[in-house]
This record gives sequence, structure tokens and C-alpha cells, in this order.
Amino acid sequence: GAVVSQHPSRVICKSGTSVKIECRSLDFQATTMFWYRQFPKQSLMLMATSNEGSKATYEQGVEKDKFLINHASLTLSTLTVTSAHPEVSSFYICGGEGGNTIYFGEGSWLTVV
Amino acid sequence: AQSVTQLDSHVSVSEGTPVLLRCNYSSSYSPSLFWYVQHPNKGLQLLLKYTSAATLVKGINGFEAEFKKSETSFHLTKPSAHMSDAAEYFCVQHTGGFKTIFGAGTRLFVKA
Repeated sequence: GAVVSQHPSRVICKSGTSVKIECRSLDFQATTMFWYRQFPKQSLMLMATSNEGSKATYEQGVEKDKFLINHASLTLSTLTVTSAHPEVSSFYICGGEGGNTIYFGEGSWLTVV
Repeated sequence: AQSVTQLDSHVSVSEGTPVLLRCNYSSSYSPSLFWYVQHPNKGLQLLLKYTSAATLVKGINGFEAEFKKSETSFHLTKPSAHMSDAAEYFCVQHTGGFKTIFGAGTRLFVKA
């Protein structure tokens, strides 16, 4: 089946720094990629939808200047958390759309200290 | 508004017994429905999907789901639970514009 690789799986960063999470579709081209945030024991919350070569569409309440999304190619999307603070510590999951199905990455644990 | 309701937040079964995870959807047209499984600290793995072909959909690891339009349901079943099935399961609906609607999730516990 289609595979989405997400990296890093875990990252710890200091408050005020930036961190980048990569999402790659390995064996298919993902015209659309999705970024989700998941709080403990809860469902996924869509943060933004990105289409290759265009600006991402952010969900209400998601600060686009704090969560920068780039979708430069059909196989790569990146989420950059800028000037991170402890409140953004969470589990982030990306998904790539292929054949009307979303295939998810393994997720990234972000801890801001 | 369209919605996905997973009727049970937790389901507990004994190993070797059947599994039933319930999902009801709300859609004014024929939806695309999916079941995903999430093991602890992992991403979501696609179990199966319904896209208006056969109403009984077979997935991986022995799981299957039946689309029932009259009941607006898409329940996930497995004849015999295995310890490795213990995980969180999400029922998901795709809508127009490729918006996804997630159910709240059902935690499956499997007892030895």
C-alpha cells in the first residue's frame, strides 16, 4: 500500500526556537497533504490542508504564522513550528491523499521545553 | 451538518471472541467511509474503505465492515480478536472538497 514517511518521530526543542517536521509520500504523488494535531486520548484535529505549489489552507483557530506549511513538491510537505512554546507540545500527524484515500505518516512527538 | 459518530469510546473483548466497533455517519449523499487503526504513539493505518462498490468491505488483519445505507452505519467487525488488535480505531468520512470528518475514536481492549 501507499506509504507516507514522517520525520522526525520525536523532537525536543527549546522555547523560542523553530522546528521542522517533514512528510514524504514514498510511492505515490500526493497532490494534497494534510496536517493534524492530536492531543492525548483524543481524535485528530485538522490544522491545515496544502496543495502542491500553492498556499496552505488553515483551519479556524490555527495561527498560520506559527505553523508554516510548505508543499513544494508532489512528494514532500513540511510543517515548521516557529518560535515554539510549551503549549504547542503535541503529537503531529501528516497525511497524503492518493486515490481518494488519505495515507498517514507515523506521527511526530514535539516537546517544547 | 455532516458527522461521524462512534457509539462506544471503549470496547473490551476477550481474545478469540468477536469484535464489533460501531460507527454511524450522517451524509446527504453516498459517502466515502474509512476505518483506520492507531497503535500507541503511532500514526494511522488504513484498515479498509468503502467507496460505493460492494457494501461488505474486507480489510487487512481479518477486519471487515458493512455499509448499511438504511441504518447510516458502517460498523467494523472481526470474528476473533487477537491481542495485537488492541488499539484505537477511527471511523472517517470524506466529504466534498476532500474534507475529512473523524469519529472520536474507539479504544479496543483485548483480554487474555
